[in-house]
Amino acid sequence: EIVLTQSPATLSLSPGERVTLSCRASQSVSNYLAWYQHKPGQAPRLLIYDASNRATGIPPRFSGSGSGTDFTLTISSLEPEDFAVYYCQQRSNWPLTFGGGTKVKIK
Amino acid sequence: EVQLVESGGGLVKPGGSLRLSCAVSGITFKDVWVGWVRQAPGEGLEWLCRIKNKPVGETSDYAAPVKDRFIISREDSQNTLYLQMNSLKTEDTGVYYCTIDHGDGYFGSWGQGTLVTVSS
Repeated sequence: EIVLTQSPATLSLSPGERVTLSCRASQSVSNYLAWYQHKPGQAPRLLIYDASNRATGIPPRFSGSGSGTDFTLTISSLEPEDFAVYYCQQRSNWPLTFGGGTKVKIK
Repeated sequence: EVQLVESGGGLVKPGGSLRLSCAVSGITFKDVWVGWVRQAPGEGLEWLCRIKNKPVGETSDYAAPVKDRFIISREDSQNTLYLQMNSLKTEDTGVYYCTIDHGDGYFGSWGQGTLVTVSS
């Protein structure tokens, strides 16, 4: 099973700041990695798939990069609605696995 | 707009059974692969199972923790996904989300979730 390790576990930031979240895989997943946003009481939302492709309706302030074992989700300028937990997920190997999440909190 | 609405969650004793349902609208249900993801209290997301559509044999796959205890099924005429959960354990407690996988292993749509509590 591929283990995805996200760092940091928590980030405290202010609106307008740039944020970079990390996801590291225990073995190569090529570019088969997605990012999701999850707010309490809501359905998770697909942001990025295949490492760098924005899903339908996702604003351009969200971008993804990386391949192999190291991936990054960048939010260029935090909006108030972006405070949430972010998860990475791989589809390269069975079973599908998620990272432990990074919580982005308001400072 | 794609909508997924889960139901059937509740409190059940260890060793008991529960059946979850997920009603899907806004998409041609018979064309998509569907599945379940859960989140234990204070934990992250965990993929559980999925079922493919009829053209590819309606086969199902399960994560190790639920294999042989949970059964995923679908009723295309009712646009509904099911999860039969048997031999429930306290560690099965969590919010259960149904998901749509457009055949690429990513979850493009999610429901709001239904809470399952396994406790004596």
